[in-house]
This record gives sequence, structure tokens and C-alpha cells, in this order.
Amino acid sequence: DAGVIQSPRHEVTEMGQEVTLRCKPISGHDYLFWYRQTMMRGLELLIYFNNNVPIDDSGMPEDRFSAKMPNASFSTLKIQPSEPRDSAVYFCASRRLDSSYNEQFFGPGTRLTVL
Amino acid sequence: DAKTTQPPSMDCAEGRAANLPCNHSTISGNEYVYWYRQIHSQGPQYIIHGLKNNETNEMASLIITEDRKSSTLILPHATLRDTAVYYCIALPNFGNEKLTFGTGTRLTIIP
Repeated sequence: DAGVIQSPRHEVTEMGQEVTLRCKPISGHDYLFWYRQTMMRGLELLIYFNNNVPIDDSGMPEDRFSAKMPNASFSTLKIQPSEPRDSAVYFCASRRLDSSYNEQFFGPGTRLTVL
Repeated sequence: DAKTTQPPSMDCAEGRAANLPCNHSTISGNEYVYWYRQIHSQGPQYIIHGLKNNETNEMASLIITEDRKSSTLILPHATLRDTAVYYCIALPNFGNEKLTFGTGTRLTIIP
């Protein structure tokens, strides 16, 4: 298996632009998670899905952030409009529903820089 | 989820055992102790977990005290590739999917 795939790996954009991050979870996994990592705040959970349905979005910082999962093999995290404080590494992770333990598989991350 | 406390950093000589402590004095009966690590510029990676018995897998061993208030992750023969930030997390196996990462321990393996 290729693992969790994220694209792009690096994104540089200007303040006010729309940014879309993409994630392909591991095939057969039922949960998908979006995390953000910064030096100041560490690794934070933004939102997670179960069977393509958003379950908990309490970590989404504000209305500028939105996430979708149109099918089991694809999810997007969109920031519109982007701001310099959104600069961070964004990780996507997935896990199986029937896993007997809480192992999440993380992708390589997208490093976002907003100028 | 129970709060965990870890030292911010540790060094270990290459080839020696690395022992990483974690305090979780408020852990509840249904919470497991999980360990993840994050190598520089990569996503976190699951290492091991346990409830009350000691556990061992191909990556590490986990020693949990009898009162379950603390635990130690042991990397038996540390290599340079084990340099990473190690996170200790207490949460149940089911019913809570949210991993809450603290600040972890930055382990540096010295050649």
C-alpha cells in the first residue's frame, strides 16, 4: 500500500488567496483526520470524518477553513481567504474502523506558507 | 483524556537503550497508554500501546507501573534513525478517536 498520500507537498501563496490541500487515505480505512502543526501550538486535530461524514470539527479555527470528503478515497481542506498565520504543516491521517487499537497512519504533510 | 507529562528533551548514545518516561497520574481505567514518534519533516508514527501489562513489539518495549500512573518507553538499541520527538498519549481504544499530542520528548541519539 502506498500509505496516506497528500498533495501538494509544499504550497506558497499570498495572503487572500484560496488554498486547497488534498488527501488520499489508505484504501479500506474508515476514518480520516486533518491535523495542523506549528511551532507555537504543536500538533492539533482540526477535523475528522467517519465513513465520509464529518464527526468533529471543533478544532477548525474559523469559518475560513472548510473540509470535505466526497468519497472514501479523497478529502480536501480548503482555506479561503488564506492569512499568514495559517502557515503550518498540515497532516492527513487515516485508520480502520475495526482496528483493535487507535493506530492512525499519517501522510507526509503539506507545508503551507502564506506570504 | 488524561494529561501526560514528559521531559522536553533527552540524549542517548547510539547502541544504548533509550528510556523515555511519561507521567499520567490521572489516567482512567479504560485509557491505554499510546506512544507515537515524529521524525523530522515526517508525520507521526505509531510505536506501541498498552493498558497495564508490559508490551513489546519489533520497535520498542513499554513498561507500565502497577498503579498505571507512569510508564517508560524503551528503545533497546538506539540508532541515529531513532532521533525524533516522542509523544505519550492516554486515551481509550474506542469511543474517542482524537489523538491529543502534547509537547513530547525530543530524543537525540548521539553517535
